[in-house]
Amino acid sequence: KAGVTQTPRYLIKTRGQQVTLSCSPISGHRSVSWYQQTPGQGLQFLFEYFSETQRNKGNFPGRFSGRQFSNSRSEMNVSTLELGDSALYLCASSLGDGSNEKLFFGSGTQLSVL
Amino acid sequence: GQNIDQPTEMTATEGAIVQINCTYQTSGFNGLFWYQQHAGEAPTFLSYNVLDGLEEKGRFSSFLSRSKGYSYLLLKELQMKDSASYLCAVRPSGGYNKLIFGAGTRLAVHP
Repeated sequence: KAGVTQTPRYLIKTRGQQVTLSCSPISGHRSVSWYQQTPGQGLQFLFEYFSETQRNKGNFPGRFSGRQFSNSRSEMNVSTLELGDSALYLCASSLGDGSNEKLFFGSGTQLSVL
Repeated sequence: GQNIDQPTEMTATEGAIVQINCTYQTSGFNGLFWYQQHAGEAPTFLSYNVLDGLEEKGRFSSFLSRSKGYSYLLLKELQMKDSASYLCAVRPSGGYNKLIFGAGTRLAVHP
């Protein structure tokens, strides 16, 4: 069974640009969560999608948004990039059908904002 | 507030046993995860505890005490490849997959 797939693996952007990251969950998983990881802040929750609906949201500005498609694939978008957005963006998937379930991470997208 | 504490760094010798502690204070509790993360890579799932007690999986074991807000990850027969960061994460009540992560414990295994 294939794991969680994230593309692209690396991205370099400049301030003010916008970026879209993609995540394909494990087959059969309907929940996709996004996390930001930085050396200073560690792993922080961005948002979670289940059945094409956002069902949880972290404390990030509105420049960070996401969506989920009918096949459970998800994208996250960051607009008007700032230097502080440089981070590893991780996607995690789970079945999404209950509270006692395991979460599996993809390899991440390393975003550098210059 | 919500808080998860774990030691910043630990060192151990190859072949030995190491215990990494994690204490948490969260708004409710709905499970605790341990992940391993090598530098530059994604977190890899190690264990999940939702009930009190010990869960054993090969060389790795994880313990949970909900009344004490405490967990530990036990690594036996340490190998050099176990050098990595170990992340403790808690799922608060009603949080679905909004996990709260600790800062991670960087473990260095020496020959």
